Amino acid sequence: LAKTTQPISMDSYEGQEVNITCSHNNIATNDYITWYQQFPSQGPRFIIQGYKTKVTNEVASLFIPADRKSSTLSLPRVSLSDTAVYYCLVGAYGGATNKLIFGTGTLLAVQP
Amino acid sequence: NAGVTQTPKFQVLKTGQSMTLQCAQDMNHEYMSWYRQDPGMGLRLIHYSVGAGITDQGEVPNGYNVSRSTTEDFPLRLLSAAPSQTSVYFCASSFDRGEMNTEAFFGQGTRLTVV
Repeated sequence: LAKTTQPISMDSYEGQEVNITCSHNNIATNDYITWYQQFPSQGPRFIIQGYKTKVTNEVASLFIPADRKSSTLSLPRVSLSDTAVYYCLVGAYGGATNKLIFGTGTLLAVQP
Repeated sequence: NAGVTQTPKFQVLKTGQSMTLQCAQDMNHEYMSWYRQDPGMGLRLIHYSVGAGITDQGEVPNGYNVSRSTTEDFPLRLLSAAPSQTSVYFCASSFDRGEMNTEAFFGQGTRLTVV
């Protein structure tokens, strides 16, 4: 899987939009970009996945530039409940849970 | 739909004791994996399975055994607990869809303390 780099932590306030950028310079042609969210004392939860351009779902948006060497997870109007660790994963692993490589992620702290 | 269920949620063991962490999924997933997560760190793969009867080692397998006799269950056995195994353990499962990455579902975790 491609190595990823993301900020260790970010702070935000309720109601703001939060953008978390992940760098993946060595992304391969077949690789997808996947984001997981982990709340304290819970297992990671899938948020969003994309290959190129923009993907949006009810939780977040994922922006991927043409060169695909980075990606940005965008959380609109965050609330206190969005405080969590966000992981960026890059690879083409199908359903192989054994190939998921979680780094230390980005700890997002949302304050009132 | 229960998803991935782990039991127990909390456990305290004495050094040298053995125990089994249970993991069950009701989604008929082929892939199942066990991870451990230490404070401030990412998840590390212990063992995984690509289907009933098939298991393999991950990054940190020492001190742990697994078996997969059914599609639904994937128990993790600690043979002789050591303080270094104090951690939070997560079980995950997923469908195999070939190249397209599929969503992995995680259990709520088992917080294990070895004293």
